[in-house]
Amino acid sequence: QQPVQSPQAVILREGEDAVINCSSSKALYSVHWYRQKHGEAPVFLMILLKGGEQKGHEKISASFNEKKQQSSLYLTASQLSYSGTYFCGTGPSGNTPLVFGKGTRLSVIA
Amino acid sequence: EAGVAQSPRYKIIEKRQSVAFWCNPISGHATLYWYQQILGQGPKLLIQFQNNGVVDDSQLPKDRFSAERLKGVDSTLKIQPAKLEDSAVYLCASSLYGGLGPSADTQYFGPGTRLTVL
Repeated sequence: QQPVQSPQAVILREGEDAVINCSSSKALYSVHWYRQKHGEAPVFLMILLKGGEQKGHEKISASFNEKKQQSSLYLTASQLSYSGTYFCGTGPSGNTPLVFGKGTRLSVIA
Repeated sequence: EAGVAQSPRYKIIEKRQSVAFWCNPISGHATLYWYQQILGQGPKLLIQFQNNGVVDDSQLPKDRFSAERLKGVDSTLKIQPAKLEDSAVYLCASSLYGGLGPSADTQYFGPGTRLTVL
């Protein structure tokens, strides 16, 4: 079951904050977040495992709410380098393949 | 540490022709994945290897796609014959442990091969 990401696209000015959501209709074991720039490989940002923990990576952090079957990615004080498409990948258990959402296109402008 | 290597980076073929892609994972990574990414979509898993054995190929169109991972290191993905709808980026990824399961292990992606079928 493909997770649903929202919004589909967002435009920010440098320094603004953004939240990207990833929701699943199935119970989740893990959520993986990647950023992909045009023509490049997806770059791993973070993985959140069942347990509701929050993780951080520079000014990018994420939360995982098992009960709501969703994860949110928080980007604070955005920089031009944050531009790209953000994908979440979810798995209902450790042994199942990741299923990726359609992505959220983030554009940061000066 | 070297990342996942893929070649070629771009390929243009006509429908009904054959094509092959090559992937060399990060050294020491037990698990290798092939994904298909159609424009505007997230990656979709085609096949997963752990060492040289197939773990999951449920979404691989086996009438035209084949993949192998000889000696548990590098891998090739072949399409024969290609169709117009195969136009996509083919991404290879690898992860260290594999035994934890694909949803528990961090996957590192290569730069991909962009295939255009005319």
